[in-house]
Amino acid sequence: AQSVTQPDIHITVSEGASLELRCNYSYGATPYLFWYVQSPGQGLQLLLKYFSGDTLVQGIKGFEAEFKRSQSSFNLRKPSVHWSDAAEYFCAVGAAGTASKLTFGTGTRLQVTL
Amino acid sequence: DGGITQSPKYLFRKEGQNVTLSCEQNLNHDAMYWYRQDPGQGLRLIYYSQIVNDFQKGDIAEGYSVSREKKESFPLTVTSAQKNPTAFYLCASTGQGQETQYFGPGTRLLVL
Repeated sequence: AQSVTQPDIHITVSEGASLELRCNYSYGATPYLFWYVQSPGQGLQLLLKYFSGDTLVQGIKGFEAEFKRSQSSFNLRKPSVHWSDAAEYFCAVGAAGTASKLTFGTGTRLQVTL
Repeated sequence: DGGITQSPKYLFRKEGQNVTLSCEQNLNHDAMYWYRQDPGQGLRLIYYSQIVNDFQKGDIAEGYSVSREKKESFPLTVTSAQKNPTAFYLCASTGQGQETQYFGPGTRLLVL
């Protein structure tokens, strides 16, 4: 069975500082990997996704993520955080060929201090 | 604008009552999904449907029911058998041959 671990429940960074959110997955074959962001009381917005090819993927709002098969990781990064980035971030893994089996991590809540 | 709409934004359920959450999409997507979100637990799949008139149980289907009579609509009924219905419910959809799920704004269900 596939699974996703986001080890950090809550992270606080200063505005302008760099950010890295961790995501580790367990999946037997080549995974499809996603990062979503959720503002309070809202739905999820797709930040970026990895299916194949270049292991460094660029997303919206200046985010990027790197797929490392040897470490089963797909960490999300941003070089300079803005106060508007404060939200909850979810990593998800899916099976190639179908999107119906997305498994989500428990999320990391990001707080940004001014 | 194309997108997914969910209504109502807030819903209150009385003891023993069934309630229905609406999910509509105008993206011409084939597959639709219902998730339940609880604090600290991420999203858990309740039901999904890949085509009209067909749907499958997800990981936590007990106490819920769905229908898929139209491509654009996938309503979720929370029955009285669901003893802990208080949660945030999210609907999502995916186009044919696509792997990315797009989400609606959610419905928060509260018990009176």
